[in-house]
Amino acid sequence: DQQVKQNSPSLSVQEGRISILNCDYTNSMFDYFLWYKKYPAEGPTFLISISSIKDKNEDGRFTVFLNKSAKHLSLHIVPSQPGDSAVYFCATRNQGGKLIFGQGTELSVKP
Amino acid sequence: SAVISQKPSRDICQRGTSLTIQCQVDSQVTMMFWYRQQPGQSLTLIATANQGSEATYESGFVIDKFPISRPNLTFSTLTVSNMSPEDSSIYLCSFGTEPYEQYFGPGTRLTVT
Repeated sequence: DQQVKQNSPSLSVQEGRISILNCDYTNSMFDYFLWYKKYPAEGPTFLISISSIKDKNEDGRFTVFLNKSAKHLSLHIVPSQPGDSAVYFCATRNQGGKLIFGQGTELSVKP
Repeated sequence: SAVISQKPSRDICQRGTSLTIQCQVDSQVTMMFWYRQQPGQSLTLIATANQGSEATYESGFVIDKFPISRPNLTFSTLTVSNMSPEDSSIYLCSFGTEPYEQYFGPGTRLTVT
């Protein structure tokens, strides 16, 4: 039973355009969401997070949007750069404080 | 921020053998975790490594298969015991800070033949 789903395994975007990565979750009790980025042969690195009391959090080129009624969050990267090419994982924490990850979306930004 | 390292970075092991993975953080941390990422899958928490006591395992993972040590606040090991090809995965350690933003090691890529 996948509690956090990233339905797009891959996404290809042209450099300079917007990348939108999507994530859906099943439990309305989840109250904190995170995005991680992972390059090959490296561990995931924390990118940005959002609390359920907000609907938007922005950090430079990265913005996370949270739609609680739809149980959906998205990560926007504007403008996309070739160095953004990586696997992006969304995650949330369960009531025990443990992180639950989605399957990941591989983003490819083409020059 | 603290630096976290893992050894080995990769290994190829024969079925039935065991491999111990080491995780070192360059400063003292309270919470350390071990994850597995099977091919094409998400990261799955194996256990929380507790300093000075037994690890807390998630559903589907048992101590006999994945014994964990945490002798101090900077170091932990995960052993994958009696390996089978299904254990071929990337194994990652991490440490946690508030509010639950975890920092991951580079991972150990294990192939079992």
